[in-house]
Amino acid sequence: SAVISQKPSRDICQRGTSLTIQCQVDSQVTMMFWYRQQPGQSLTLIATANQGSEATYESGFVIDKFPISRPNLTFSTLTVSNMSPEDSSIYLCSLAGHTFGSGTRLTVV
Amino acid sequence: QQPVQSPQAVILREGEDAVINCSSSKALYSVHWYRQKHGEAPVFLMILLKGGEQKGHEKISASFNEKKQQSSLYLTASQLSYSGTYFCGTELNAGGTSYGKLTFGQGTILTVHP
Repeated sequence: SAVISQKPSRDICQRGTSLTIQCQVDSQVTMMFWYRQQPGQSLTLIATANQGSEATYESGFVIDKFPISRPNLTFSTLTVSNMSPEDSSIYLCSLAGHTFGSGTRLTVV
Repeated sequence: QQPVQSPQAVILREGEDAVINCSSSKALYSVHWYRQKHGEAPVFLMILLKGGEQKGHEKISASFNEKKQQSSLYLTASQLSYSGTYFCGTELNAGGTSYGKLTFGQGTILTVHP
């Protein structure tokens, strides 16, 4: 199965700033998914990223806050914009099927 | 439309068995099971696609009752390494096509003691 390289693995950021998370896949994939896992909670889908089209966002998530790029079939980025402490979470990218990246643990101070 | 997992937590002694259930109110295309250890990403255990299908992975197996839209994860002769949080991820039936979009249950915390 495909392997995902996700980075950074963790970061501590100041409120009001932005962080871009990258996921690189070792093979071409049509769909990539971005999830958020708040402390002690389950995983919640943020958006679905297809190459060549705008990402599709789930209820409660907006493009201005979580812009996503998908420039080709092996790469995607998620930006967490204008961060607040409530954005402190683990962010994970995933492929259709069952493969997850290793996650980005974000702490906003 | 989040699936409901039960129980919320399980405490076992090594060698004991456990069952974790995952129920959906919607028709499902597939059910995925994951285990997550603290501070790590979820690890895929298995996927179930068809009604009544049962799969196994060493001492961990699962079933999917398509009529009830319910899946169960069976852990037998538990080991210390089984400790973690178990999540089911469900994919809705979109006309028989898989898009890979999952909705996760709230998780079941499994603790295995020596």
